[in-house]
Amino acid sequence: EAGVAQSPRYKIIEKRQSVAFWCNPISGHATLYWYQQILGQGPKLLIQFQNNGVVDDSQLPKDRFSAERLKGVDSTLKIQPAKLEDSAVYLCASTLGGPDTQYFGPGTRLTVL
Amino acid sequence: KQEVTQIPAALSVPEGENLVLNCSFTDSAIYNLQWFRQDPGKGLTSLLLIQSSQREQTSGRLNASLDKSSGRSTLYIAASQPGDSATYLCAVIGGKLIFGQGTTLQVKP
Repeated sequence: EAGVAQSPRYKIIEKRQSVAFWCNPISGHATLYWYQQILGQGPKLLIQFQNNGVVDDSQLPKDRFSAERLKGVDSTLKIQPAKLEDSAVYLCASTLGGPDTQYFGPGTRLTVL
Repeated sequence: KQEVTQIPAALSVPEGENLVLNCSFTDSAIYNLQWFRQDPGKGLTSLLLIQSSQREQTSGRLNASLDKSSGRSTLYIAASQPGDSATYLCAVIGGKLIFGQGTTLQVKP
């Protein structure tokens, strides 16, 4: 069974630039999550999708972050414009649904200079 | 507001030791608790998931326990090996997954 795929694996940009990350969850998984993990901390949930609807985006900085999950499969997370404090690893995870085991992708490491 | 704390933040042990990692949480109204392993530069790998009705789960040399009433979970690693070196994260699931900050384990040969 293929795991959660993410791209790119690494990205370096300058502040005020824009960046987008892509996630492809495990086939059949209805729930998709985006997390931000700052160095030395645990992941923090940014947004949760159930199929193509948003369940929780309470911790998403909506002035600069946006995310979508068209057709209830792939998802993209965008930052526009980026700030230095956005430097982190962005993790995508998926589950079949409900409080089940979450499966994580390898993450995208973002460095904002 | 749920808060998850892991102590210690870092741990270094000689190979072969048995060890315990601790996780505490402030709100006992959780569905499940999950332990993850994270290797440097990698994503998270699920180790064990304990449902709220369970008290422990075992997988190989790993045993995780859950005491909801006291807001505590422990991950026991038996006969540690250098390959166990990684960061271990616990997360409580109560609607959303809330992580602790992790314990970075180094097992020295």
